[in-house]
Amino acid sequence: GESVGLHLPTLSVQEGDNSIINCAYSNSASDYFIWYKQESGKGPQFIIDIRSNMDKRQGQRVTVLLNKTVKHLSLQIAATQPGDSAVYFCAERAVGGYNKLIFGAGTRLAVHP
Amino acid sequence: DSGVTQTPKHLITATGQRVTLRCSPRSGDLSVYWYQQSLDQGLQFLIQYYNGEERAKGNILERFSAQQFPDLHSELNLSSLELGDSALYFCASSALRGPTDTQYFGPGTRLTVL
Repeated sequence: GESVGLHLPTLSVQEGDNSIINCAYSNSASDYFIWYKQESGKGPQFIIDIRSNMDKRQGQRVTVLLNKTVKHLSLQIAATQPGDSAVYFCAERAVGGYNKLIFGAGTRLAVHP
Repeated sequence: DSGVTQTPKHLITATGQRVTLRCSPRSGDLSVYWYQQSLDQGLQFLIQYYNGEERAKGNILERFSAQQFPDLHSELNLSSLELGDSALYFCASSALRGPTDTQYFGPGTRLTVL
């Protein structure tokens, strides 16, 4: 498949370790945030979301943390597996934008056995 | 599989030509979004439709247009194509109900302009 974002920052982790992917968002008034995973040749896949009235949300092996003070979002993946290798994007919902999403640049996660 | 379908998967065409990309949303979703993903620009919002009507516009060029039909499928028309239009084009859909409205993305159409 084609490569997306050849010059993306890369996070390399060992299989079984925990991964933390960070994202800075732009608008302090954004009210909803989503993490997407994009594998090579595929469309972005929803992972987890969080509303601005929360600071933490957990899913299966994933946790999203929101720090509104510094406009920072993080995605934690527990026990990272080779299948987690992908590009990860955070997205914020633009205020007054009818659910329009603004995407971050993305981070490539490389999981090594 | 997100339930959003896009055709064709690949398109190769020449500069100056016109192409149409097609998207079928998930069953029950009324809102369709189009995004462009290029190597240097990341994922950029182009336009959104809700139940046949345009809802929001992003950085969509005047050479590009879209519409959503009564059966809720959507088409993105790209005309007078330039080399720089080569990119992945994604469609997403959502139900647009409630405060958290997840967008589900299709597999994309890869456009190559030669």
